[in-house]
Amino acid sequence: AQRVTQPEKLLSVFKGAPVELKCNYSYSGSPELFWYVQYSRQRLQLLLRHISRESIKGFTADLNKGETSFHLKKPFAQEEDSAMYYCALRKMGTYKYIFGTGTRLKVLA
Amino acid sequence: EPEVTQTPSHQVTQMGQEVILRCVPISNHLYFYWYRQILGQKVEFLVSFYNNEISEKSEIFDDQFSVERPDGSNFTLKIRSTKLEDSAMYFCASGKDREAFFGQGTRLTVV
Repeated sequence: AQRVTQPEKLLSVFKGAPVELKCNYSYSGSPELFWYVQYSRQRLQLLLRHISRESIKGFTADLNKGETSFHLKKPFAQEEDSAMYYCALRKMGTYKYIFGTGTRLKVLA
Repeated sequence: EPEVTQTPSHQVTQMGQEVILRCVPISNHLYFYWYRQILGQKVEFLVSFYNNEISEKSEIFDDQFSVERPDGSNFTLKIRSTKLEDSAMYFCASGKDREAFFGQGTRLTVV
């Protein structure tokens, strides 16, 4: 069965510190992986997807098929990064996203 | 920038009543979804809709649920006879290609 695991419910870091939000997945084929972010009282927004290999707001994520991971990283956290972050998997050829339970990131001044 | 919009933002209903949650997807999108998030839990897939029919649904999406795109712009989720455990945040999403754009959600409270 497909599953996305985000082991940390809450991650607190100080401003300027590096951030890594963990995401592991289980899927037998080739998935598409995404990170969505939800700022306070706002909608879920796409942050980045593994296919694009892009960096958005200083965040990057690399798909590691050997470790079945798609960790989200940022070298220097900012206070405005405080939000809920969801890792999601989309099975190739379908329109269904499977979400992890989310990690709340708190960046402290 | 175009957005997915959902109405109402909060709906309170009595157990056993029917509710219709409404969504206006982004206009040139082809794929439509409903997800829900029970308080404190993960975002769960309910159903996807493409080419005027359900393309996939989860085990949560039982006979009490139905979706419709009645007029080419709205996309609705109907819960026929609500139960207490249907209380959740319901998110509509639409997509054109690989990614989904989400609405701000409707909080459904069943009392």
